[in-house]
Amino acid sequence: AQSVTQPDIHITVSEGASLELRCNYSYGATPYLFWYVQSPGQGLQLLLKYFSGDTLVQGIKGFEAEFKRSQSSFNLRKPSVHWSDAAEYFCAVGGGSNYKLTFGKGTLLTVNP
Amino acid sequence: SQTIHQWPATLVQPVGSPLSLECTVEGTSNPNLYWYRQAAGRGLQLLFYSVGIGQISSEVPQNLSASRPQDRQFILSSKKLLLSDSGFYLCAWSEVNSNQPQHFGDGTRLSIL
Repeated sequence: AQSVTQPDIHITVSEGASLELRCNYSYGATPYLFWYVQSPGQGLQLLLKYFSGDTLVQGIKGFEAEFKRSQSSFNLRKPSVHWSDAAEYFCAVGGGSNYKLTFGKGTLLTVNP
Repeated sequence: SQTIHQWPATLVQPVGSPLSLECTVEGTSNPNLYWYRQAAGRGLQLLFYSVGIGQISSEVPQNLSASRPQDRQFILSSKKLLLSDSGFYLCAWSEVNSNQPQHFGDGTRLSIL
């Protein structure tokens, strides 16, 4: 069965600092990997996706993620965080013929001024 | 471009009352459709998904049901709400028969009194 672990429930960073959110997955075949962001009371917005090819993928809002098959990881990074990045971030894995995604439990990001 | 609409945005219902949440997608044909429930600290739980009209797969035995009466319409229902049905409900769509990303509506906050 597929699963996603986001080890950090809550991360606090200062504005302008770099950010890395961790995601580890378990999947029996080549995974499709996604990062989503959710602001309070809103739906989820897709930040980026990995299907194949270059293991470093660029997304919206200056985010990037790196797929590391040997570590079963897909960590999200941003070189300089803005106050507007404060939100909850979800990693997800999919790829089966049932077209379902499995989500991690999320990491809440707080940005200090 | 494709859009997804969910309504209502907020709903307060007494225990034992019926429920109907509606989700519609525009700008695409025969999408995969999904209903999720989100509880604080527990990530997203997939409730139902559908790959076509009248085709519903249930992920978790519960007090809820789903229907897809039209290609781009997905309805979440209950005959008698329980206190445990409270939560944030999200509808999502993805392209037909693909592992392309899911795109989410803005959600419905359901409170049971």
